[in-house]
Amino acid sequence: IAMTQTPLSLSVTPGQPASISCKSSESLLNSDGKTYLFWYLQKPGQSPQLLIYEVSSRFSGVPERFSGSGSGTDFTLKISRVEAEDVGVYYCMQGRHSPLFTFGQGTKLEIK
Amino acid sequence: QVHLVESGGDVVQPGGSLRLSCAASGFTFSTYVMHWVRQTPGKGLEWVADIHPDGGNKNFVDSMRGRFAISRDNSRNTVYLQINSLRAEDTAVYYCARDLHWGFDYWGQGTLVTVSS
Repeated sequence: IAMTQTPLSLSVTPGQPASISCKSSESLLNSDGKTYLFWYLQKPGQSPQLLIYEVSSRFSGVPERFSGSGSGTDFTLKISRVEAEDVGVYYCMQGRHSPLFTFGQGTKLEIK
Repeated sequence: QVHLVESGGDVVQPGGSLRLSCAASGFTFSTYVMHWVRQTPGKGLEWVADIHPDGGNKNFVDSMRGRFAISRDNSRNTVYLQINSLRAEDTAVYYCARDLHWGFDYWGQGTLVTVSS
């Protein structure tokens, strides 16, 4: 399953919104009715951290400004108001075809 | 809180072997599937392998099957990744991660493997 993210980089003014798209080559809807699409943020010098699971569920401690949406093969991560601490590389990942997990190429977010 | 600490990364010559370790704490290790994921500048993040709680069920990405082995010691709360016949393209940061029902929730800080003569 190929995961394609766009854009590959974006530069955002603090307080402004940001949006990242992720498209999968096959539907991520599972027979149990759930869609296994995850979003991770890798801050500079750190390991990836989970932001969103199952398309739109925020992980513990993740600020409300992060939201996920989408279905089937098209997904979006939105940051309502970007803050300086949000810089890093964002990855989508599919788990529908577990254990053959695949990641997007990453989208680098920087602050203007 | 959940804590995962990898170790064992090193500079190794092509053809060599390494065993990576991941020590877990802060949760009931013996009830979780555990994963290894690697990150390279060229290929990005790549899932490597997983192992189920009792160690009986293991999965690998096809390209690594045969050279990689995964194991766990639930009495030590540790998962291992053995890599044999190392190649330059195995150069990467290797992370262990805890399973979250068809995804991963917590990741360790990673351990660097460099394959070079």
